[in-house]
Amino acid sequence: SQKIEQNSEALNIQEGKTATLTCNYTNYSPAYLQWYRQDPGRGPVFLLLIRENEKEKRKERLKVTFDTTLKQSLFHITASQPADSATYLCALEGGSNYQLIWGAGTKLIIKP
Amino acid sequence: DAGVIQSPRHEVTEMGQEVTLRCKLISGHNSLFWYRQTMMRGLELLIYFNNNVPIDDSGMPEDRFSAKMPNASFSTLKIQPSEPRDSAVYFCASSVDSNTEAFFGQGTRLTVV
Repeated sequence: SQKIEQNSEALNIQEGKTATLTCNYTNYSPAYLQWYRQDPGRGPVFLLLIRENEKEKRKERLKVTFDTTLKQSLFHITASQPADSATYLCALEGGSNYQLIWGAGTKLIIKP
Repeated sequence: DAGVIQSPRHEVTEMGQEVTLRCKLISGHNSLFWYRQTMMRGLELLIYFNNNVPIDDSGMPEDRFSAKMPNASFSTLKIQPSEPRDSAVYFCASSVDSNTEAFFGQGTRLTVV
């Protein structure tokens, strides 16, 4: 079955630097992959979706890459700010047209 | 639109009691998902509805869990009887279609003592 791995340890980044989060999967390549942000006490908020035929997607300071050979997605936040501190979740299409398989999330801390 | 609205935000109940969680979808969304989130297991899909019809309930832990969607904008998740291991944050999420971005509610933090 499909497994997703995200760094379980918190990632500490200095303000202004680029933060890079990793999402690795083990089995088939999903048709698409999504990234969400979750703040404490709140539900996940959608950030970006990237499809298997896309190498890269950008939205303002965010960039997502999708490498089906490495079975990996990278999520970058450039010019990071303390307000970017949150837990970031990746979710893969799970083999049906509705099911998402979720990673455990990586906690990102941006230090001023 | 106010987004997906869940109630209550917090629920503390005694073991054996019935618990009902409520969700109001975003108008025009056809897909509804109920999730449970715990530290140990992360986000787990409990049940998925499309156009008010339950499509996949394979994630529902036991017969103690049931979900309904009486109309296009409202859903309930019921646990009867509740047990301490049901303690978690329960989210509902809606989307225009099943494979587009999901909009999550604020969640209901359930504690069963």
